[in-house]
Amino acid sequence: ILNVEQSPQSLHVQEGDSTNFTCSFPSSNFYALHWYRWETAKSPEALFVMTLNGDEKKKGRISATLNTKEGYSYLYIKGSQPEDSATYLCAPNTNAGKSTFGDGTTLTVKP
Amino acid sequence: EAEVAQSPRYKITEKSQAVAFWCDPISGHATLYWYRQILGQGPELLVQFQDESVVDDSQLPKDRFSAERLKGVDSTLKIQPAELGDSAMYLCASSLGHNTGYTFGSGTRLTVV
Repeated sequence: ILNVEQSPQSLHVQEGDSTNFTCSFPSSNFYALHWYRWETAKSPEALFVMTLNGDEKKKGRISATLNTKEGYSYLYIKGSQPEDSATYLCAPNTNAGKSTFGDGTTLTVKP
Repeated sequence: EAEVAQSPRYKITEKSQAVAFWCDPISGHATLYWYRQILGQGPELLVQFQDESVVDDSQLPKDRFSAERLKGVDSTLKIQPAELGDSAMYLCASSLGHNTGYTFGSGTRLTVV
């Protein structure tokens, strides 16, 4: 089981603010990192799969970067909207196919 | 868009009773996972199947939990007897392979009273 840490645990921002979260994981045996968004009463939804050091992925106002050498990934949301309110989970995979989820960052965007 | 089906959506059971959850993954997804998520924590893997075979059940409390995927398609997770500490969200997910993104079902919210 990997030691995966996400920070902050929760975040409250105003509509229009930009924000970012961190996912830290052991850099050894890294294979891929997944980001998921989990809205209340819905299923977790896959956002990004990242594999290469220096990878940057973007989906609308959400983007993510990956540093496999130091073992972290950042998720950015530009101009947060109330519909961005959710828990954001990261899950690194090792090259043995083992995936461990962090505890998530819960974002609340106030109108 | 294809979905992972789970039932029931909610389940309330008394401690010491048996309870079962069902999951039907996306057609063609060979890998199926059962996760347990306790409020405030991330999902914890209980069992991983590759087709009908168990790949990882190291975190499954085998004295009371069992899981099967007999034909390599749908799967059942059973708890017998249920304990108060089993109250949690039970999520099923499937993927094409163990290193591709997962598609999750809506989960079963279990409350043991």
